[in-house]
Amino acid sequence: KNEVEQSPQNLTAQEGEFITINCSYSVGISALHWLQQHPGGGIVSLFMLSSGKKKHGRLIATINIQEKHSSLHITASHPRDSAVYICAVSKGTNFGNEKLTFGTGTRLTIIP
Amino acid sequence: GAGVSQTPSNKVTEKGKYVELRCDPISGHTALYWYRQSLGQGPEFLIYFQGTGAADDSGLPNDRFFAVRPEGSVSTLKIQRTERGDSAVYLCASSFGLYNEQFFGPGTRLTVL
Repeated sequence: KNEVEQSPQNLTAQEGEFITINCSYSVGISALHWLQQHPGGGIVSLFMLSSGKKKHGRLIATINIQEKHSSLHITASHPRDSAVYICAVSKGTNFGNEKLTFGTGTRLTIIP
Repeated sequence: GAGVSQTPSNKVTEKGKYVELRCDPISGHTALYWYRQSLGQGPEFLIYFQGTGAADDSGLPNDRFFAVRPEGSVSTLKIQRTERGDSAVYLCASSFGLYNEQFFGPGTRLTVL
């Protein structure tokens, strides 16, 4: 069993829909990251969080440490949001960037 | 400003050859990370540096892989006696300290024939 599991693996939605991508992990962590990877490979860090909730534009990330679960939400989805979204956790005890373990990603496609 | 750059963008080599992959982090970033991503998979941690020293190299798959960062800036990932299974995209990232977000380079696609 992978230490980081994401669901769904693939998600197709209509433009404007509210999107939720889930991430569950089975190890102790110091931080959780959400990353976006567009076709061609470029990876962009969206969020790094260790508790609670963060918001940036139409993106919201939440984490529940007790349940070892995080969600990434996209409001008013747009075709440009189409990408692979990757969850990663830092298994280090002190910092947020030590030895990241990645999920396999969720491929999101938004149809106009 | 300039982001993380990696060279070459593509490298094709023959089984058994030696390759070097270069990463130029964002200026002033003290932490540098190497990852490997196989097709259809998420990235896999290889090694990270804090300054010049390798803080954690536990992700390097075997002793054919080695990375250096002699002056605390540019890093080189070295792979000896390449095997077909080494074919992947090798990603580099940097951050300002270990608490802040990582910025990723475009990757080097390595193909071992």
